[in-house]
Amino acid sequence: GAVVSQHPSWVICKSGTSVKIECRSLDFQATTMFWYRQFPKQSLMLMATSNEGSKATYEQGVEKDKFLINHASLTLSTLTVTSAHPEDSSFYICSASGTLTIGVAEQYFGPGTRLTVT
Amino acid sequence: AQKITQTQPGMFVQEKEAVTLDCTYDTSDPSYGLFWYKQPSSGEMIFLIYQGSYDQQNATEGRYSLNFQKARKSANLVISASQLGDSAMYFCAMREGHGNNRLAFGKGNQVVVIP
Repeated sequence: GAVVSQHPSWVICKSGTSVKIECRSLDFQATTMFWYRQFPKQSLMLMATSNEGSKATYEQGVEKDKFLINHASLTLSTLTVTSAHPEDSSFYICSASGTLTIGVAEQYFGPGTRLTVT
Repeated sequence: AQKITQTQPGMFVQEKEAVTLDCTYDTSDPSYGLFWYKQPSSGEMIFLIYQGSYDQQNATEGRYSLNFQKARKSANLVISASQLGDSAMYFCAMREGHGNNRLAFGKGNQVVVIP
């Protein structure tokens, strides 16, 4: 149990376009989802926390108008990178916690989405 | 201030040997949780082991054990009997307080297991 999927697994887009990444909890209801960004050979940096049905809470330095997060249901959160630029190229990972956070693995991670902006 | 510190450079480990990955943390909250995750080259984050701040015993999960020294604020991961599949990045992370699932990650340790 506790499977989180992400789609797409990788995407290449042109500078100035927008890209949407989906994060789904497949077998549990995710009351909270987290979005992280990871640059090569670096750690995961939390971008925002989203709770179902409410606005996301963004970390300091993360532009909320550029990284639009929607958590409209208990199984789906989306991250839209608007007007993407090459510096937005990164590995984006979501995680989810909620009603099936068994044991102490309180966040279940998706497989990640590699975004390349040309 | 950095909450999780992982300072070891990349490590080469002989297959079947044990390896210890260092992690120190900084918090003033008496309630916290410490996690270790493995990230292979494919990118997914794999949960390995958890230690709660009030846990009396060191956590163990198969070949993984956590050397929790609360007074020193360290939570080192020990991998016994290393396997080639253990080659990956390893991240230490901390959650502070109850009901707050936000995790702060360290910079990670690169481990390469050699036959």
